[in-house]
Amino acid sequence: EAGVAQSPRYKIIEKRQSVAFWCNPISGHATLYWYQQILGQGPKLLIQFQNNGVVDDSQLPKDRFSAERLKGVDSTLKIQPAKLEDSAVYLCASSWGPLSYEQYFGPGTRLTVT
Amino acid sequence: GENVEQHPSTLSVQEGDSAVIKCTYSDSASNYFPWYKQELGKGPQLIIDIRSNVGEKKDQRIAVTLNKTAKHFSLHITETQPEDSAVYFCAARISNTGNQFYFGTGTSLTVIP
Repeated sequence: EAGVAQSPRYKIIEKRQSVAFWCNPISGHATLYWYQQILGQGPKLLIQFQNNGVVDDSQLPKDRFSAERLKGVDSTLKIQPAKLEDSAVYLCASSWGPLSYEQYFGPGTRLTVT
Repeated sequence: GENVEQHPSTLSVQEGDSAVIKCTYSDSASNYFPWYKQELGKGPQLIIDIRSNVGEKKDQRIAVTLNKTAKHFSLHITETQPEDSAVYFCAARISNTGNQFYFGTGTSLTVIP
């Protein structure tokens, strides 16, 4: 079974530029999560999708972050414009559904904003 | 929302010794408590989990205990090996319509050969 795929693995941009991250969850997984992991901290949930609908985006900075999962499979997370404090690893995870206990993480995208 | 605290932040043990990492949570609606191991450059990997209706679970050298009354849970690794060196995260999931996960701040475990 293929795991959660993410790309790119690394990205360096200047502040005020825009960036997009892509995630392909495990086949059949209905629930998809985007987390932000700042160095030395645990992952913090940004947004959770159930199929193509948003379940929770209460911690997503909506003035600069956006995410979509149009067909209920792949998802993209965008930052526009980026700030220095956005430097972090962005993790995507998926699970079978909202009642499923286990979630599986991708390798993450390390973003550096200079 | 949920607040998960994790201690210690760093832990060094000699190979073969045991390691214990502790977490506390605040929301009594939390019903699932996974532990993840994160190696450098990789995403977190689930290593063991426990549900709120269970007090203890063991899988070979790894065990987790849960005290619902005190709202704390712990990870126990026995007979540690150098390959156990990594960052370990605890998490709690609140049982609501979203079932959101909240993570601790991580423990960097170093096993000294």
